[in-house]
Amino acid sequence: GIQVEQSPPDLILQEGANSTLRCNFSDSVNNLQWFHQNPWGQLINLFYIPSGTKQNGRLSATTVATERYSLLYISSSQTTDSGVYFCAVEYQGAQKLVFGQGTRLTINP
Amino acid sequence: DVKVTQSSRYLVKRTGEKVFLECVQDMDHENMFWYRQDPGLGLRLIYFSYDVKMKEKGDIPEGYSVSREKKERFSLILESASTNQTSMYLCASSLPRSYLDEKLFFGSGTQLSVL
Repeated sequence: GIQVEQSPPDLILQEGANSTLRCNFSDSVNNLQWFHQNPWGQLINLFYIPSGTKQNGRLSATTVATERYSLLYISSSQTTDSGVYFCAVEYQGAQKLVFGQGTRLTINP
Repeated sequence: DVKVTQSSRYLVKRTGEKVFLECVQDMDHENMFWYRQDPGLGLRLIYFSYDVKMKEKGDIPEGYSVSREKKERFSLILESASTNQTSMYLCASSLPRSYLDEKLFFGSGTQLSVL
């Protein structure tokens, strides 16, 4: 099956800093999504981005499908950005998303 | 906004009990999913469904079954609960691939403890 690797596993930053989270995958994909799991466990969908670039406020994401990676950018971090960020992919022929292990982001005031 | 509602936030059951976890979505999504999340193991797919009365096994279906009698409702059943089924259970829904926007929306989760 497809392998999904996220880096770094942990990231600790001060409020106001920028961050880049990476997701590498081992096969061609037709679906890639980024999620944020807040400290209360709720998973929020941030982006559906199988290719290209999208922006939503302070967050943006880029997927380079030919090179098999995706990046999530968070600018001007706030404490509410803390939590775990997951990348999930669906490879061609599959019918399900495979999740990476996540990046735990801690934003200190 | 899509709303995926799971019936219980916390649940405590005894070994051997039959357990029902209910999930309802309000956006007429065809696709529904059940995941479990465990520390160090991430999110793993148990079962999914692409239509009423239809079900497909995910990666870890053993010990579980599902029911989808209505489009908006997808139930996960633990036939005889065991301690290794203590976990956070997450329900999710999405539109089908033909809509070209398969964003997955999650419920708030059910933390199940089996004693």
